[in-house]
Amino acid sequence: EDQVTQSPEALRLQEGESSSLNCSYTVSGLRGLFWYRQDPGKGPEFLFTLYSAGEEKEKERLKATLTKKESFLHITAPKPEDSATYLCAVLGNNFNKFYFGSGTKLNVKP
Amino acid sequence: AAGVIQSPRHLIKEKRETATLKCYPIPRHDTVYWYQQGPGQDPQFLISFYEKMQSDKGSIPDRFSAQQFSDYHSELNMSSLELGDSALYFCASTRRDSYNEQFFGPGTRLTVL
Repeated sequence: EDQVTQSPEALRLQEGESSSLNCSYTVSGLRGLFWYRQDPGKGPEFLFTLYSAGEEKEKERLKATLTKKESFLHITAPKPEDSATYLCAVLGNNFNKFYFGSGTKLNVKP
Repeated sequence: AAGVIQSPRHLIKEKRETATLKCYPIPRHDTVYWYQQGPGQDPQFLISFYEKMQSDKGSIPDRFSAQQFSDYHSELNMSSLELGDSALYFCASTRRDSYNEQFFGPGTRLTVL
């Protein structure tokens, strides 16, 4: 069965301290791997879609990469406003549902 | 740009009551997904629709039902509400032929007392 695992569950960084979040997946026929940011009480905010191994996408301080088994969300010189839960999801051959990981809760301290 | 619209944003119900949540997808999006998210949990897939037909079901209780209408908006009907139904309910939409982005609505916070 399609499955997504994110690590770590929680991450505390000092402002400016770069790090990476991991999303490991198993899926039958990857059609897309999605990264979202979610603030408490709000809907997930779309960040990136990656389609194939080797692909990379960037947005401000965030960079997402993809291999055949996992994706990384690199955060460079984070700021306190980057604090949120980051969710990873995959879409496989079954178009009808996205499989979500449990998220990484990021806390960036000033 | 237009986003996914959900209504109401907040809903308070008593046990055993019914609730109807509405979702209006982004224009030209043909696929709608419903998710339930409990406190500190990731979104749990409930049900999805493609071109007004139910396409898949997840962990949706039998007390819940949903449909997608001709204008592509969707409604999630919840009956015999239980305390454990208290959660954030998200709707998301995408286009099946360009599944590059799945956009979420702001969610409906349901509180069952």
